[in-house]
Amino acid sequence: KNEVEQSPQNLTAQEGEFITINCSYSVGISALHWLQQHPGGGIVSLFMLSSGKKKHGRLIATINIQEKHSSLHITASHPRDSAVYICAVREYFGNEKLTFGTGTRLTIIP
Amino acid sequence: KAGVTQTPRYLIKTRGQQVTLSCSPISGHRSVSWYQQTPGQGLQFLFEYFSETQRNKGNFPGRFSGRQFSNSRSEMNVSTLELGDSALYLCASSSWTGGNTGELFFGEGSRLTVL
Repeated sequence: KNEVEQSPQNLTAQEGEFITINCSYSVGISALHWLQQHPGGGIVSLFMLSSGKKKHGRLIATINIQEKHSSLHITASHPRDSAVYICAVREYFGNEKLTFGTGTRLTIIP
Repeated sequence: KAGVTQTPRYLIKTRGQQVTLSCSPISGHRSVSWYQQTPGQGLQFLFEYFSETQRNKGNFPGRFSGRQFSNSRSEMNVSTLELGDSALYLCASSSWTGGNTGELFFGEGSRLTVL
């Protein structure tokens, strides 16, 4: 079982829809990152969370440390939101390596 | 402020050769980390450096090595290349200096093809 599980793996939605991507992890963490990767490879960090909720424009990220779960929400989705969204966790103590989820491929249809 | 710069962007090598990739972090950032991305394994953590010291290491064979210089620029080296080393190698820098994790800023990556 992967330490970081994302769902769904693929998501297609119409422009304007509310999008939710989920991330569950099994280890103790010091932080969770949400990343966005467009075709061509470039990765952009969207959020870094250790508790609670953060909002940036149309994007909202939440984390529940007790339940080991995080969600990324996109309101009023737009075709330019089409990308792969990746959840990554930094483990506590010792070797604090980053472990990545397999990503969610989001396609927004105009 | 310039972003994270990785060179070269693309390179082709043959099995058995070695390769060196370079990463220049955002000015003022002293933490640099490296990642490998392949279609089969996704993104995997290679190693992380802070102030010229390796802080964390992923589960990769000893053929993968790295270092960081006093100006925070970092290099990673892969020796005795194998076909499976074909991947996108990404570097990220962070303003982390201790305590909580810093936000990551990624470069565009170096795409390595091993023939």
